Amino acid sequence: IQMTQSPSSLSASVGDRVTITCRASQSISSDLYWYQQKPGKAPKLLIYTASSLQSGVPSRFSGSGSGTDFTLTISSLQREDFATYYCQQSYSTPPTFGQGTRLEIK
Amino acid sequence: QAQLVQSGSEVKKPGASVRVSCKASGYRFTSYGISWVRQAPGQGLEWMGWISAHNGNTNYAQKFQGRVTMTTDTSTSTAYMDLRSLRADDTAVYYCARDSIDSDGNWFDPWGQGTLVSVSS
Repeated sequence: IQMTQSPSSLSASVGDRVTITCRASQSISSDLYWYQQKPGKAPKLLIYTASSLQSGVPSRFSGSGSGTDFTLTISSLQREDFATYYCQQSYSTPPTFGQGTRLEIK
Repeated sequence: QAQLVQSGSEVKKPGASVRVSCKASGYRFTSYGISWVRQAPGQGLEWMGWISAHNGNTNYAQKFQGRVTMTTDTSTSTAYMDLRSLRADDTAVYYCARDSIDSDGNWFDPWGQGTLVSVSS
């Protein structure tokens, strides 16, 4: 299953509301996960099963969608949120990731 | 809290093999699986395969079939990934990540810190 994220990169300011989109090449129900990766660090799970917030993740992060179209929203960007974000489907093997969305400071 | 700690960086010549280890702590090792995911420099994430820490069952990505072997040592809560016949394009950071006990429904939390494997003549 191919996962396509948009945009590939995004410039935004602290306090902005940001939305990243992930589209699957076929329906994946709600088997969609979002990860955050900072330079030189391992990915960190943010959202599981499309809309559930992982423990310890700030509530400004939220996820939505089902089927083929999903979104990750950051309600009010903080400086520590500037990173690369990946979606990943677990509906079928092999699990596949989107190409990533790099979120940069404007 | 669950934690995975990986072995250190490796430099290998083309054609060689590499073994990366991943030691788990803070959870019952045999109740989960371990997946391995790699990331080439400046690139995205690529799943390599999964192993059950419960019974040793494996599921490898087709791309790596025949070249990768994943194992676990339950006595030390450690997972291993062996990759053979290394090529320059195997240069990447290799991550282990805790995964489902089942071979499907893979999702990853937490991740190890990553191990850089450099392949160069």
